[in-house]
Amino acid sequence: QKEVEQNSGPLSVPEGAIASLNCTYSDRVSQSFFWYRQYSGKSPELIMSIYSNGDKEDGRFTAQLNKASQYVSLLIRDSQPSDSATYLCAVNGGNNRLAFGKGNQVVVIP
Amino acid sequence: DGGITQSPKYLFRKEGQNVTLSCEQNLNHDAMYWYRQDPGQGLRLIYYSQIVNDFQKGDIAEGYSVSREKKESFPLTVTSAQKNPTAFYLCASSMGQATDTQYFGPGTRLTVL
Repeated sequence: QKEVEQNSGPLSVPEGAIASLNCTYSDRVSQSFFWYRQYSGKSPELIMSIYSNGDKEDGRFTAQLNKASQYVSLLIRDSQPSDSATYLCAVNGGNNRLAFGKGNQVVVIP
Repeated sequence: DGGITQSPKYLFRKEGQNVTLSCEQNLNHDAMYWYRQDPGQGLRLIYYSQIVNDFQKGDIAEGYSVSREKKESFPLTVTSAQKNPTAFYLCASSMGQATDTQYFGPGTRLTVL
């Protein structure tokens, strides 16, 4: 069973600060990595995808991938109240199936 | 507008009933997926299909059935054998390659009365 772990507990950050989310995965052959944002009662929407080691930036979001250490992270800069949501880490091991972590709730405090 | 639609948005089922959840996409995607989400559990894969007339069990297929007669449609039936069906059901689709993003429909919330 491929596992994706996200550190538990809600993350509270003041408006304008950086939110940092981490995700580790167990399958060394994983090829593609995704961060989804899910608002309460809604379906997940893609924030970032990353496939190669290093950083990938898109607006206020930066994804970081380290395949040797088997982790992927998401940074949210200049956090806004609209960023308050649950963030899901998903990993594709090459069999066209995504394994999801349980998610991290982010609360941005105005 | 291209996208994924799911219906109904809310569904109530009595004990012993089978119910079918609809999922339609007009993105011309080859692969389609059904997930179940419970509070604090993340998304768990029920069934997936990579091509018409073919589908595979996911991690929690017991008590569910699917069909893929058309590329655009992937309905999920929750049978009476599923003992705890109350959950948020999400349908997704992708082009079908490992690097392709999965896009989600709006979901169906099923409640057993």
